[in-house]
Order: sequence, then structure tokens, then C-alpha cells
Amino acid sequence: KQEVTQIPAALSVPEGENLVLNCSFTDSAIYNLQWFRQDPGKGLTSLLLIQSSQREQTSGRLNASLDKSSGRSTLYIAASQPGDSATYLCAGLGNNNDMRFGAGTRLTVKP
Amino acid sequence: GAVVSQHPSRVICKSGTSVKIECRSLDFQATTMFWYRQFPKKSLMLMATSNEGSKATYEQGVEKDKFLINHASLTLSTLTVTSAHPEDSSFYICSASIPRDNEQFFGPGTRLTVL
Repeated sequence: KQEVTQIPAALSVPEGENLVLNCSFTDSAIYNLQWFRQDPGKGLTSLLLIQSSQREQTSGRLNASLDKSSGRSTLYIAASQPGDSATYLCAGLGNNNDMRFGAGTRLTVKP
Repeated sequence: GAVVSQHPSRVICKSGTSVKIECRSLDFQATTMFWYRQFPKKSLMLMATSNEGSKATYEQGVEKDKFLINHASLTLSTLTVTSAHPEDSSFYICSASIPRDNEQFFGPGTRLTVL
């Protein structure tokens, strides 16, 4: 059974810093890996989706990478802003269409 | 883009009552819909996978008689929490997938509080 781990569980940085969130998964047979943002009490906002054949995806200040062989994905956030404060979740989609989520990294960007 | 809605967004009910949550794909047909549950400060846990016109597949530990799932059409799946108890209080999120690329699109979630 796929297990997804996110490190760190919480992160606090000053505004303007670049930061990296980590995600690891135990089963490399994933169909795709997706990063989400979740604000308190809210649903999920999809940020980036990386297909298993891809190595990275970029959107604005966000860049996500995928290394299936090592079972790792990273989400890089450049020039962080207070509005980036949220919980970031990664999830791997298995070949059986089952999506497994990590526990999330709670990010706080201080002005 | 693919939009998924959920209704209601928030519900408060008394212990012992049943609550129905709807999940709709607004601009696409979803052969498969998924139901997740999220406890406070925890991640999402897949509860069940529902395919249109067939019985849902439940994850281990999820009571199918407690959480009734119906996927009667290609745009609607419902989750009914039967005889709700306070421990059923949680945030329930559905998603729907487009067959061609297996990407899942998530609804905004329903917060259930059982008194």
C-alpha cells in the first residue's frame, strides 16, 4: 500500500525567502503526483500535476519535481509571500486510480 | 476547466439522524468519483471509490452500511452518513476523474458536525 510522507510538518519563513517542501512515496508505480494547497477550513486547490513520464512542472513561482526512482517529489516556492501561507499536500495517484495523500506541510510566511 | 461542486458546504445535525452529501461534476461526465474524509489537522483519507451504475468500493475500515454511496448518473454521486454520531464529524471531500487522463478534480468539501 502506497505511503506518502511530507517533511517538514510545519515551516515558518520570512517573506521573500525561497523554500522547498518535500514529499516521498514508497511505491514508485505512480501514475502521477499532484501538489495541492489547502487553506484553513477550505477545500483543495490543485497547484501542479506531474505525470509519471515527466520530471517537473512549473507555474509562476512554483516548481515541482518528480523523481520516481528515488520516490521523491519537491515543491519549490520562490520569493515567498504571506499569501502563500497554507497547508501544502502532495498526493500520488496509483495505477488503480487510488490517490494517497501525505499529511501536509503547514507553511507560514511572515511579513 | 473541470468543476466539481458539493452540497451542502456545511451541515449540523443531531445524533442519530442521516445526512446526505451531493457531489456533482458540472461540466464533464465522471465515470468515477471518490469520497475522502479529513480529520482536523490531518490529511485526506480515501473512503470509497464509486463507479457510475455499480456498487462502490470501500477502503478497509470504512463501514459500507454506515456510509452509503450512490453514483446514479455520470454527474452525481451521493454520500449518506447514516445514524450519524459525533465521531462522524469531519470534513468530507469528493473528487471526480476524467477517464482520459485520470486527473481528479476536487469539490470544495462539506463540513459535517454531529451534535
